[in-house]
Amino acid sequence: DIQMTQSPASLSASLGETVTIECRASEDIYNGLAWYQQKPGKSPQLLIYNANSLHTGVPSRFSGSGSGTQYSLKINSLQSEDVASYFCQQYYDYPTFGGGTKLELK
Amino acid sequence: EVQLVESGGGLVQPGRSLKLSCVASGFTFSNYGMNWIRQAPGKGLEWVAYISSGSSYIYYAETVKGRFTISRDNAKNTLYLQMTSLRSEDTALYYCARPIYYYSSYRFVMDAWGQGASVTVSS
Repeated sequence: DIQMTQSPASLSASLGETVTIECRASEDIYNGLAWYQQKPGKSPQLLIYNANSLHTGVPSRFSGSGSGTQYSLKINSLQSEDVASYFCQQYYDYPTFGGGTKLELK
Repeated sequence: EVQLVESGGGLVQPGRSLKLSCVASGFTFSNYGMNWIRQAPGKGLEWVAYISSGSSYIYYAETVKGRFTISRDNAKNTLYLQMTSLRSEDTALYYCARPIYYYSSYRFVMDAWGQGASVTVSS
């Protein structure tokens, strides 16, 4: 199995701030990387796939980057509605998820 | 509007069986492979199983292989997960999820999720 290590596990940021979440794969996943947002009590929602392709309807303040084994999700100008948990997922092989990052407002 | 509605969850004793269903609407169900994903209480996400559109290709996570069976009935727009020999570690919210595209290269990129069916395995 490809292991996905996500950091940080939790993050506190202020409105308007830029935040970055990192994800490291145990081997090269050739950009087969998606990011999901999960709000409390809700199902996960796809944000980004192919490491940097923004899913339809997702605000442009979200962006993804990376290659090889290192990937990141950036949220520009943090909004209150961005308070959620975020998960990375590789799909180069049978899918595995990162442990998640819980984003809170400072 | 794409909708996925799971049912069949509940409290079950260790070693017993349970069958989950997921009824799909708002898209051509028979064109898409489908996934089951689970999330233990307060934990992260774990992929469980995948079935292709015509049921020719089926994959399982190692943690459930030999105990769980994924299946589908395209005439009924319904996805199933038969779970046997249940263990306490199978306690989770089980989501059915549809891939973003029906191309096989995107079979594990999920853009539509149900609300989840809760399974608790306890004596």
